[in-house]
Amino acid sequence: NAGVMQNPRHLVRRRGQEARLRCSPMKGHSHVYWYRQLPEEGLKFMVYLQKENIIDESGMPKERFSAEFPKEGPSILRIQQVVRGDSAAYFCASSPTGDGEAFFGQGTRLTVV
Amino acid sequence: GIQVEQSPPDLILQEGANSTLRCNFSDSVNNLQWFHQNPWGQLINLFYIPSGTKQNGRLSATTVATERYSLLYISSSQTTDSGVYFCAVKDSGYSTLTFGKGTMLLVSP
Repeated sequence: NAGVMQNPRHLVRRRGQEARLRCSPMKGHSHVYWYRQLPEEGLKFMVYLQKENIIDESGMPKERFSAEFPKEGPSILRIQQVVRGDSAAYFCASSPTGDGEAFFGQGTRLTVV
Repeated sequence: GIQVEQSPPDLILQEGANSTLRCNFSDSVNNLQWFHQNPWGQLINLFYIPSGTKQNGRLSATTVATERYSLLYISSSQTTDSGVYFCAVKDSGYSTLTFGKGTMLLVSP
């Protein structure tokens, strides 16, 4: 059973471009979570999704950020018009149930130049 | 929301030494996990332990839910144990894990 797969591992974008981060959960997991980690800091929750539904987006900035988890395919975290402050590691996690053990992907390291 | 405090913030050990990391939380929880973030940034699951005691090799963990704390024990530490150890909890009224700030561990040969 493959783990949580994130791609790309590293992403460089110029200011103003769009960044698309992908996350394929573990097989049988329908709950997906996105977290952001700034350098030397812990992980901060961004958004929680189940198939086709956003359950909780309280940690996600209201502008420029969006997330989806379609019926088919991976979950996508999209950042429009990136700024330098968006540079961070973005982690995706999945779990089989809302209270179940969460497993994390290897992260996508976004650098905005 | 729930507060999570980890101590100590930093720890330096000689290879072979034992250590105890602590995680305090401010409310009752229905999920508690310990993770190790290695120097390459990868988050590795150590324990899923909302209550009780578990052991896995040189590592063990205990959560006393009624007193709102969890302990992670590392015995006979090795250089590969270096990295940041995170505690993360979820209370019944919140949908996702809240992370502590972590304990940075350096094990020197």
